[in-house]
Amino acid sequence: NAGVTQTPKFRVLKTGQSMTLLCAQDMNHEYMYWYRQDPGMGLRLIHYSVGEGTTAKGEVPDGYNVSRLKKQNFLLGLESAAPSQTSVYFCASGRVSLETQYFGPGTRLLVL
Amino acid sequence: DAKTTQPTSMDCAEGRAANLPCNHSTISGNEYVYWYRQIHSQGPQYIIHGLKNNETNEMASLIITEDRKSSTLILPHATLRDTAVYYCIVRVPYNQGGKLIFGQGTELSVKP
Repeated sequence: NAGVTQTPKFRVLKTGQSMTLLCAQDMNHEYMYWYRQDPGMGLRLIHYSVGEGTTAKGEVPDGYNVSRLKKQNFLLGLESAAPSQTSVYFCASGRVSLETQYFGPGTRLLVL
Repeated sequence: DAKTTQPTSMDCAEGRAANLPCNHSTISGNEYVYWYRQIHSQGPQYIIHGLKNNETNEMASLIITEDRKSSTLILPHATLRDTAVYYCIVRVPYNQGGKLIFGQGTELSVKP
């Protein structure tokens, strides 16, 4: 099993450009999450999903949209990137029960 | 959501036990205590979790006080590879999405 994978690993955007980050998991987990991590800080939850076709807002949802069309995929979209969105983005997945979350390797995004 | 308080940083000698404290005085009865770690900007890695009783696995031990207002993560024989940021997290109920709220964590440095 690959676990949780993220695409791309690194990306540079110009202000105002759009992009989509892809998260895929092969563990048949119901829950999926998107976090961002800024230098020297802990992770902050952007959006999450408790099942296919569902999404919900986390701590810092502004400027992002998400979709969960398939159980194994969770997409994070930036419609109009801003320098404040420069960060490392982590995806995670987990089971419905009180199980652990499994994290991907991260996507490093630089917005100029 | 219950908040956690951890020391910003700690040192530990290689081969000795590392004891990482965490305060969570506002924890509610159905909230679990989770510990994750993050090694050099990789995705966070689950270590251990518990509700009331002490727990042990192949990585660490978790000691939770009887009043559940604090806990200690113990790495019995720290190695250089245990150098990481350790996050103590109180887990919201699963029916709220099972979110993990990350704080600043403790930066553990294991020294030769």
